[in-house]
Amino acid sequence: DQQVKQNSPSLSVQEGRISILNCDYTNSMFDYFLWYKKYPAEGPTFLISISSIKDKNEDGRFTVFLNKSAKHLSLHIVPSQPGDSAVYFCAASGTSGTYKYIFGTGTRLKVLA
Amino acid sequence: DTGVSQDPRHKITKRGQNVTFRCDPISEHNRLYWYRQTLGQGPEFLTYFQNEAQLEKSRLLSDRFSAERPKGSFSTLEIQRTEQGDSAMYLCASSSGLARVDEQFFGPGTRLTVL
Repeated sequence: DQQVKQNSPSLSVQEGRISILNCDYTNSMFDYFLWYKKYPAEGPTFLISISSIKDKNEDGRFTVFLNKSAKHLSLHIVPSQPGDSAVYFCAASGTSGTYKYIFGTGTRLKVLA
Repeated sequence: DTGVSQDPRHKITKRGQNVTFRCDPISEHNRLYWYRQTLGQGPEFLTYFQNEAQLEKSRLLSDRFSAERPKGSFSTLEIQRTEQGDSAMYLCASSSGLARVDEQFFGPGTRLTVL
């Protein structure tokens, strides 16, 4: 069962516009969420995170929004830049004494110059 | 370079052979994780170490897989009697262990191809 879902496998956005990447989860025990970015031939790199006690976290051009009632989070990138073109993974972690992340399947973002 | 390193970066083997991968975490990171990523999927958790103790294993980790972290430093992941279904990217990550949930830093991965 896929506990973390990214239903859009790909997204294309014009440079300078907003990119919105979405993620849904099913496990209400998740209390920490992260976004990772992955370039080809590299490991995932951490981008931004949010605790379940918050509904928004901002870091420069990147903002993550969490809607716990809908079990939904989104990553906003404003303004989008060509260097943002990568695969973005949503990940979640829970309170059951485990430190592992559960990852979504990823969304490939292409920012067009 | 003080990031997570993995060796080798690529491994091609024949079905039935044994392979071993190495991961060197960021110095002084207490937690070390192994994930596997197949095409079109996100990383899937395999196992986790707190120092030298292996504290959690996924059901994905069949008895052909074994991981060690002697002395709480580098880690090895061995796959015995490889099968074509083992072909994947094997990712190692480490974290400081200073918080219940802390940022995991990933290495570049080892791409395994089983012929």
